[in-house]
Amino acid sequence: GAVVSQHPSWVICKSGTSVKIECRSLDFQATTMFWYRQFPKQSLMLMATSNEGSKATYEQGVEKDKFLINHASLTLSTLTVTSAHPEDSSFYICSARIPGTGFPHEQYFGPGTRLTVT
Amino acid sequence: AQKITQTQPGMFVQEKEAVTLDCTYDTSDQSYGLFWYKQPSSGEMIFLIYQGSYDEQNATEGRYSLNFQKARKSANLVISASQLGDSAMYFCAMRDPDNYGQNFVFGPGTRLSVLP
Repeated sequence: GAVVSQHPSWVICKSGTSVKIECRSLDFQATTMFWYRQFPKQSLMLMATSNEGSKATYEQGVEKDKFLINHASLTLSTLTVTSAHPEDSSFYICSARIPGTGFPHEQYFGPGTRLTVT
Repeated sequence: AQKITQTQPGMFVQEKEAVTLDCTYDTSDQSYGLFWYKQPSSGEMIFLIYQGSYDEQNATEGRYSLNFQKARKSANLVISASQLGDSAMYFCAMRDPDNYGQNFVFGPGTRLSVLP
């Protein structure tokens, strides 16, 4: 089946620094990727929709200047958390969509990246 | 906008017994689908089962089945013969019509603990 990878799987950074998370579709081209955030013991919440070659669409309440998303190719989307603060500590999960393959398997989740800001 | 409700924050089940995880939803769409995902402690999201609103039969996938009651807007997940490896978070989800059905909207989840 289709595979989505994320790198790194976990990262610890100091407050005020930036960290980049990569999401790759390994064996298919993903025109659309999604970034979710999951705080401890909570559900997944969509942060943004990333379309290849265009600007990401951010959900209400998500700071686009803080969470920079770049979808420069059909197999890679990156999420950069700029000037990270402890409240940004969370589990970040991407998913990638394969268009035209039909429900329900047309979207695949990456394994997630656990970010801890100290 | 739609909403997913999972009223059981945590559930316990004895190994080899069956367990039902509740999910109710609210949508104005006529055509929609319900998904269940399992999230073990590693964090990965594992697709379990899907039910389309027009499917005439309840979905089944191995030990997983879905008790779909459209009129009640409920889509409960039934896990038969529970195993220790079933201990995880379980999320009910739907496609988000506010984003052209592209992404998922998740319920709050139920933490299932299987006891030996």
